[in-house]
Amino acid sequence: DAGITQSPRYKITETGRQVTLMCHQTWSHSYMFWYRQDLGHGLRLIYYSAAADITDKGEVPDGYVVSRSKTENFPLTLESATRSQTSVYFCASSEVGRVSYNEQFFGPGTRLTVL
Amino acid sequence: KQEVTQIPAALSVPEGENLVLNCSFTDSAIYNLQWFRQDPGKGLTSLLLIQSSQREQTSGRLNASLDKSSGRSTLYIAASQPGDSATYLCAAPNQAGTALIFGKGTTLSVSS
Repeated sequence: DAGITQSPRYKITETGRQVTLMCHQTWSHSYMFWYRQDLGHGLRLIYYSAAADITDKGEVPDGYVVSRSKTENFPLTLESATRSQTSVYFCASSEVGRVSYNEQFFGPGTRLTVL
Repeated sequence: KQEVTQIPAALSVPEGENLVLNCSFTDSAIYNLQWFRQDPGKGLTSLLLIQSSQREQTSGRLNASLDKSSGRSTLYIAASQPGDSATYLCAAPNQAGTALIFGKGTTLSVSS
């Protein structure tokens, strides 16, 4: 299916474990993003990527690692999960060019619970 | 630093009413602004993208306007329906133009 997909959709893990959230898009968009959504904070940017092998920090990057070896994939890894990382994680993408100019499209989200 | 604010946080209206959702932003040097809809437990669906040159964008019963000089955008929903019940989010690019800054949303409830 065309579009942007995330897996898993739901994940429960324990404190200290490593978790990887996957994001895949079929549009060949250059830009990809990871946001987290929390009550009271809204959506906040974790990391973004302008192209394969180019990534940069967003507003709340601590405790997260990203990579982008292929244009279509942008995995997010929690190296040692903490309870404060319990959240809903959204992946997004936009076409070639900066966000200022292009519409951003979102995946369905991954609901992560850290016990 | 770009900040986006949405008022009101929640709104309840009877079916058929026309309504306006407000969004304000602090950095007016933006090229566009995007409105999203989010249903409970779901992802974000893009509703409208307004380029600053357009100032207004329409899709069906939705009309969004953008006034950069005042740092405001409005989303007008005509003849509201129960199916419009959702949270509406506006988002503006950050100063570097590398990501979106979101408001906290307006949760709309339309009763039949």
